[in-house]
Amino acid sequence: SAVISQKPSRDICQRGTSLTIQCQVDSQVTMMFWYRQQPGQSLTLIATANQGSEATYESGFVIDKFPISRPNLTFSTLTVSNMSPEDSSIYLCSVRQGGNEQYFGPGTRLTVT
Amino acid sequence: KQEVTQIPAALSVPEGENLVLNCSFTDSAIYNLQWFRQDPGKGLTSLLLIQSSQREQTSGRLNASLDKSSGRSTLYIAASQPGDSATYLCAVRGTGTASKLTFGTGTRLQVTL
Repeated sequence: SAVISQKPSRDICQRGTSLTIQCQVDSQVTMMFWYRQQPGQSLTLIATANQGSEATYESGFVIDKFPISRPNLTFSTLTVSNMSPEDSSIYLCSVRQGGNEQYFGPGTRLTVT
Repeated sequence: KQEVTQIPAALSVPEGENLVLNCSFTDSAIYNLQWFRQDPGKGLTSLLLIQSSQREQTSGRLNASLDKSSGRSTLYIAASQPGDSATYLCAVRGTGTASKLTFGTGTRLQVTL
């Protein structure tokens, strides 16, 4: 299984600012994913980030709001830009190994005031 | 569009009981199904992965079954313990290597002493 770490684990930010979340994996993986979990809700996929290509965003999510970098096979960042209180969520990084099982990081709890 | 539903939304049982969590999905063309556990404010822990060609998977006190044709999966927990208290999520992956996970709404389980 893959071990995934995220930084920061939580943050409180003011509206209008930006936060960059880091995701580090202990092994090389091709497919990385970023999810959002709003309070009391299930997970929603933001984008798929494959190394060497542009991230693919799901409907309702745009690159200007959630820019993603994937510089190598073990690391990715997600930036939440120009934040508003509606962006308060848990943001989770995930990887898929061997084309099958998917693993998740511990999440970043973001509160926007 | 795949839709995943979990019933019940919440469940409270006394310690020692056996219990069943249900997951249904609308599109039977799936690649696999995965059950996760999520503790409050935390990331997801993978419990069991069932490939589309399999009928069930077991890990310790957990047993997951899959009936792809009827669009159903169940997670059976034997001899429940207070440490099993968490939210349980099922997620289905569509066909194709780049397909995404679609998550259910979750079942919040509380095991009481």
